[in-house]
Amino acid sequence: GAGVSQSPRYKVAKRGQDVALRCDPISGHVSLFWYQQALGQGPEFLTYFQNEAQLDKSGLPSDRFFAERPEGSVSTLKIQRTQQEDSAVYLCASSPRQETQYFGPGTRLLVL
Amino acid sequence: AQSVSQHNHHVILSEAASLELGCNYSYGGTVNLFWYVQYPGQHLQLLLKYFSGDPLVKGIKGFEAEFIKSKFSFNLRKPSVQWSDTAEYFCAVNALTGGFKTIFGAGTRLFVKA
Repeated sequence: GAGVSQSPRYKVAKRGQDVALRCDPISGHVSLFWYQQALGQGPEFLTYFQNEAQLDKSGLPSDRFFAERPEGSVSTLKIQRTQQEDSAVYLCASSPRQETQYFGPGTRLLVL
Repeated sequence: AQSVSQHNHHVILSEAASLELGCNYSYGGTVNLFWYVQYPGQHLQLLLKYFSGDPLVKGIKGFEAEFIKSKFSFNLRKPSVQWSDTAEYFCAVNALTGGFKTIFGAGTRLFVKA
């Protein structure tokens, strides 16, 4: 079956620009996670949704980061006024409950 | 705060050599433990997991890991590696009382020489 998909796969933004990253989870998966992965590091937790409810956003690094999942399926991670330190791979993962996570290919964001 | 430490950032082995990748975590409570693998050009995928029960866990492709609670460790092993095991390996921990956050280690890049 179809896995987790993310778009765009690559995004180049000028500093100060807003970006929106999309995640399509596996159909029927209740849980959705966003991670940020800097070069040479492991994924760092950003936020978690259970259906449409954002139950944990403790990993969002600043108020410039915002995530939503309004209908409990597709999710969007928005970064306002991007800065160079936001350059990273943004990973989305979904899970039928809260155990094994199925990862998407990631969106590689480069802020110039 | 929870953290996960992977001892080696880069490992180079010849085919048929034995593999052990170290993973230690810092959290005193009950945890779920994972090893994920990322093959070149592919997504992160689950290799194996430990929730409870037998501390020796077997995963896909001949990998196994042992949970030693007293050492806060969850080391990954494989008796004989193959060239196709070349990948990056991530250890991850989810504390059952820590909300939904999963903490990943920095990863170990394994290169297996044919």
